[in-house]
Amino acid sequence: GQQLNQSPQSMFIQEGEDVSMNCTSSSIFNTWLWYKQDPGEGPVLLIALYKAGELTSNGRLTAQFGITRKDSFLNISASIPSDVGIYFCAGRETSGSRLTFGEGTQLTVNP
Amino acid sequence: KAGVTQTPRYLIKTRGQQVTLSCSPISGHRSVSWYQQTPGQGLQFLFEYFSETQRNKGNFPGRFSGRQFSNSRSEMNVSTLELGDSALYLCASRRETGDTEAFFGQGTRLTVV
Repeated sequence: GQQLNQSPQSMFIQEGEDVSMNCTSSSIFNTWLWYKQDPGEGPVLLIALYKAGELTSNGRLTAQFGITRKDSFLNISASIPSDVGIYFCAGRETSGSRLTFGEGTQLTVNP
Repeated sequence: KAGVTQTPRYLIKTRGQQVTLSCSPISGHRSVSWYQQTPGQGLQFLFEYFSETQRNKGNFPGRFSGRQFSNSRSEMNVSTLELGDSALYLCASRRETGDTEAFFGQGTRLTVV
């Protein structure tokens, strides 16, 4: 089935640093979503993107829907310890309703 | 407004047994999707139910099945459990099957011994 390539797989950063992660797909998506998962919990929706080129912010988080509609990135500015977790991208193809998930980026923030 | 509720949170079963997991979606949401999450495989789609009908199905063996009730609550069943079925099982609800934004429950951690 459809796969999303999410990178990097893991990141180790210092508190205060900015972080960037991205997802690419071989298919065109009409929607991109970004989720965060804390240990032992379900993923929580952070940002939803619906139009190519769209740039959306949620506090210190900013995500963009790529112009080609095959990629998206998530930036976290001025990271803090509670940003630790796994970040997932998810996309929906134009032809279906199913969401496809990336494999996640494990973020570790050192105080 | 209550979120997505999954029960039980934790479960330990023996190989060969069967298990049933439950998911109550957000009030007013009619679509429920199930995912299996393992460390090496990420989130793998199992199936989606909408209005008591299975609308989408992932690439899992027939041992994995599900159903949805008239109140939109959903159950998934795994028969003849294998060690490899140990995982976090997540359900996500959407208002309609065509909606994009999916909201997850906390998951059921299944351990097969």
